[in-house]
Amino acid sequence: ILNVEQSPQSLHVQEGDSTNFTCSFPSSNFYALHWYRWETAKSPEALFVMTLNGDEKKKGRISATLNTKEGYSYLYIKGSQPEDSATYLCARTGTASKLTFGTGTRLQVTL
Amino acid sequence: SAVISQKPSRDICQRGTSLTIQCQVDSQVTMMFWYRQQPGQSLTLIATANQGSEATYESGFVIDKFPISRPNLTFSTLTVSNMSPEDSSIYLCSAHTGGRETQYFGPGTRLLVL
Repeated sequence: ILNVEQSPQSLHVQEGDSTNFTCSFPSSNFYALHWYRWETAKSPEALFVMTLNGDEKKKGRISATLNTKEGYSYLYIKGSQPEDSATYLCARTGTASKLTFGTGTRLQVTL
Repeated sequence: SAVISQKPSRDICQRGTSLTIQCQVDSQVTMMFWYRQQPGQSLTLIATANQGSEATYESGFVIDKFPISRPNLTFSTLTVSNMSPEDSSIYLCSAHTGGRETQYFGPGTRLLVL
C-alpha cells in the first residue's frame, strides 16, 4: 500500500446499528495514526492518536484499533446515533508531523 | 488543546483574482500547516508555515501560487493567487505542538472560483 486508503467510501445505517470502517496505510516508517470526525462547516475533530501496534482506544461509543505490522486500523461505532453522521478521516504521519489523509468514510445515521 | 479560527469562512471569487486566508491560534504552537481538499479528494498538505522564514512547500505547490506568511507563533496567512476554477476547494490550517500529539484544525475556508 502506497497511500492511505479508507473503506467504505460511504455508509448509511439505522439508529442503533453498530458499524465499523477500515483505514489501510503504508506500514514502513510509521509514526502515528490519527482518526478525525469532520462535520460540515466545522473543524475536523480529533478522535484518536495511536502509535503502538495493538493499541486500542475508546471514547464513549467510539473505539479504534491499530495494527502497524500489517498497516491497518479499524474504527468502531456502537449503537449509532444521528449525531454520529459525519465524515470520518484517518491520517498517517511518518517521521515528520505531516499528515497523509485518506479520502474518508461518509457516515449517515437515520432514525 | 488549541482553538483555531479562520477568516473568511467562505468566499466566491472571480478568475484571476487573489484571496488571502487568515488563521489564528489561541496559543503558541510549534508548527502550522495549510491543507486543501478539492471536491472528491482527500485533504492534501500544501505547505508547512515556518515562523520567521519561508514556508516549506510540498510537491506540486509553489510559493508564487500559494504565498504563506507566519509572522509569529499564533498567526499565519495563505494567499491563493491568480485563481482559476481548479482552485475551488476547502482550505484548512492546522496547528501542532510536535511529537505524537494531536494536530488541531480550523473550520476551513470554502472557496469557489468562477
